[in-house]
Amino acid sequence: AQTVTQSQPEMSVQEAETVTLSCTYDTSESNYYLFWYKQPPSRQMILVIRQEAYKQQNATENRFSVNFQKAAKSFSLKISDSQLGDTAMYFCAFYNAGNMLTFGGGTRLMVKP
Amino acid sequence: GAGVSQSPSNKVTEKGKDVELRCDPISGHTALYWYRQSLGQGLEFLIYFQGNSAPDKSGLPSDRFSAERTGGSVSTLTIQRTQQEDSAVYLCASSPYPGQGRVEQYFGPGTRLTVT
Repeated sequence: AQTVTQSQPEMSVQEAETVTLSCTYDTSESNYYLFWYKQPPSRQMILVIRQEAYKQQNATENRFSVNFQKAAKSFSLKISDSQLGDTAMYFCAFYNAGNMLTFGGGTRLMVKP
Repeated sequence: GAGVSQSPSNKVTEKGKDVELRCDPISGHTALYWYRQSLGQGLEFLIYFQGNSAPDKSGLPSDRFSAERTGGSVSTLTIQRTQQEDSAVYLCASSPYPGQGRVEQYFGPGTRLTVT
């Protein structure tokens, strides 16, 4: 079974600064996908970014980028130029042929003006 | 296009009553998932439907929980004889076609269930 760990229950960052959220996972699989989801107070889970395990290049989506270290089983999310709208819970998630997402416990991010 | 929709948005029910939660996936998505989000347990997988295949029910916590998907589209999650520990947000997600690497799951807004 896969496990996903987010070691930072809460974080805060000043608007316009950069913040990195940590995620580690444990699996014996070689082919899998990793995701970051954002859940604002509205409750809607929003896909932020995805990474295929077979790709060495780190994924980027505008202000969001990941640092994927496969050997270390680490998958951190960097948010650049933080905005007030980035305030939310962030979940790291693992997917493989088991077909369901396995989520970490989440990190609550507060962006301060 | 339209995203995943769920109804009702909120549901309050008395202990012992049955409830039905509905999910309309994104049109054309073949895979549909139910998850539960609660304070004590985080986000848990419940059940997975893929096309016409038998569903993966491995995450259902008890036989009081069941789900069906009609016509490969709309899904209903039914909880019989509700208990207070069933109180949670129930999230539905759909995915284009996992077998072809299109594995991203898109979530609905959830149904908050409160059992009194």
